[in-house]
Amino acid sequence: QSALTQPASVSGSPGQSITISCTGTSSDVGGYDYVSWYQQHPGKAPKLMIYDVSNRPSGVSNRFSGSKSGNTASLTISRLQAEDEADYYCSSFTSSTTLVFGGGTKLTVL
Amino acid sequence: EVQLVESGGGLLQPGESLRLSCAASGFTFSSCAMSWVRQAPGKGLEWVSSISGSGGSTYYADSVKGHFTISRDNSKNTLYLQMNSLRAEDTAVYYCAKGRSAYGPDHFDSWGQGTLVTVSS
Repeated sequence: QSALTQPASVSGSPGQSITISCTGTSSDVGGYDYVSWYQQHPGKAPKLMIYDVSNRPSGVSNRFSGSKSGNTASLTISRLQAEDEADYYCSSFTSSTTLVFGGGTKLTVL
Repeated sequence: EVQLVESGGGLLQPGESLRLSCAASGFTFSSCAMSWVRQAPGKGLEWVSSISGSGGSTYYADSVKGHFTISRDNSKNTLYLQMNSLRAEDTAVYYCAKGRSAYGPDHFDSWGQGTLVTVSS
C-alpha cells in the first residue's frame, strides 16, 4: 500500500492554469477509474473536488478538471484564484480492495 | 444537509484502547459505506478503514489490521472505530467520511470535522 506519488508543491499566478500529477501503478490508478481529488485548507476537513477520474460533484467550480493516462492521473485548475491555495490529495481504489492516498501537493497562488 | 460529527478523541498512553464514534445525519445511513481517514500532525491523509452500508464487509489498511476494528449501528446512524494497543504512530486527527456507494472503499463526498487522538507517555 505505497502512497501515490504527487509533487510536493506547485505554484501559479492568478488567472493561470496548473496541473498536479498523481502517479501510481497498474494495481491502483492504472487499473481502475476510481481516482478522486480532495482540497484541504489549513485546519479544515478535506473537500471532494473530483471523483471517478473526471467527475465534478455538484457545487464544485468547472475550473477544476481531472484526467488519467496510464498509471498517472492529473488535476488541472484553470483561471487560478487566491482561494484555490490549499493542499490537494489524490486517492485511488486498489486491487487489494483498499484505498490509497497520494502524499499531497501544496498549491501556492503567487 | 449531511452532517458527520466525530467524538471520543483524547490523550492516551501507549498500549491503551479507545473507541471513536461518528454520528451521522441528513442521509440514509445504511445506504452508504463509511470510512475512517486519519492525518498525523503536519502530514498527509491516510485511509484507515471502510465498512459497507450493511456492515457485512470491512476493509483495513495494513498499518491497522488486527489493531483497529470498524463497526456501525444503522439503528443509531453511528459509525465506530475501536482502537486497541495504541502506539505513538497512531497519533492523528481521525476523520469520519461518507462514501457515495453502499460498498467498499470509494471516494468520500462528506467529511466530519475530525477528532484528535494523541498517544504519548
